[in-house]
Amino acid sequence: DAGVIQSPRHEVTEMGQEVTLRCKPISGHDYLFWYRQTMMRGLELLIYFNNNVPIDDSGMPEDRFSAKMPNASFSTLKIQPSEPRDSAVYFCASSYSYNSPLHFGNGTRLTVT
Amino acid sequence: GIQVEQSPPDLILQEGANSTLRCNFSDSVNNLQWFHQNPWGQLINLFYIPSGTKQNGRLSATTVATERYSLLYISSSQTTDSGVYFCAVELSTDSWGKFQFGAGTQVVVTP
Repeated sequence: DAGVIQSPRHEVTEMGQEVTLRCKPISGHDYLFWYRQTMMRGLELLIYFNNNVPIDDSGMPEDRFSAKMPNASFSTLKIQPSEPRDSAVYFCASSYSYNSPLHFGNGTRLTVT
Repeated sequence: GIQVEQSPPDLILQEGANSTLRCNFSDSVNNLQWFHQNPWGQLINLFYIPSGTKQNGRLSATTVATERYSLLYISSSQTTDSGVYFCAVELSTDSWGKFQFGAGTQVVVTP
């Protein structure tokens, strides 16, 4: 198994630009999570999906953030417009079921200048 | 909200030493996992352990849910054990998926 695959690994963009982060979960996993890691706030859950349906998006910081999961093998996290305070490492994770381990991708390091 | 506290915040070990990392949580939990973030930033799941004891090679973990703590043991530490160790807890099935991560324990293993 290739694990959770995220792209790109690094993204540098200017303030105001749209950013799209991508994730392919492990095949057969029904749950997909988006996390953000910063020095100040640590690891924060942004949103998660079950069977492609968003279950809880209360961690999404504001309307500039949106996430979609059009099918079981693909999800996107979009930031529009981006701001310097969005700079962080964004992780995608998946799990087989509600009581099974989380598996993380390698993350996308986002820098907004 | 639930509080997750990890101790110690930093730990320096000589290769071959043993150590214990602790995770305290302020309320009952239904799920607890331990992760290792290596120096390259990868987050690796070590244990899914809402209760009881598990072992995987030189690592083992114990969760005593009634006492609201979990312990991670590292035996015969190696330089590859360096990194940050996180515990993550989930308060209840109603809020499943809302794992709260502790601030982590930064471990450095010296040769």
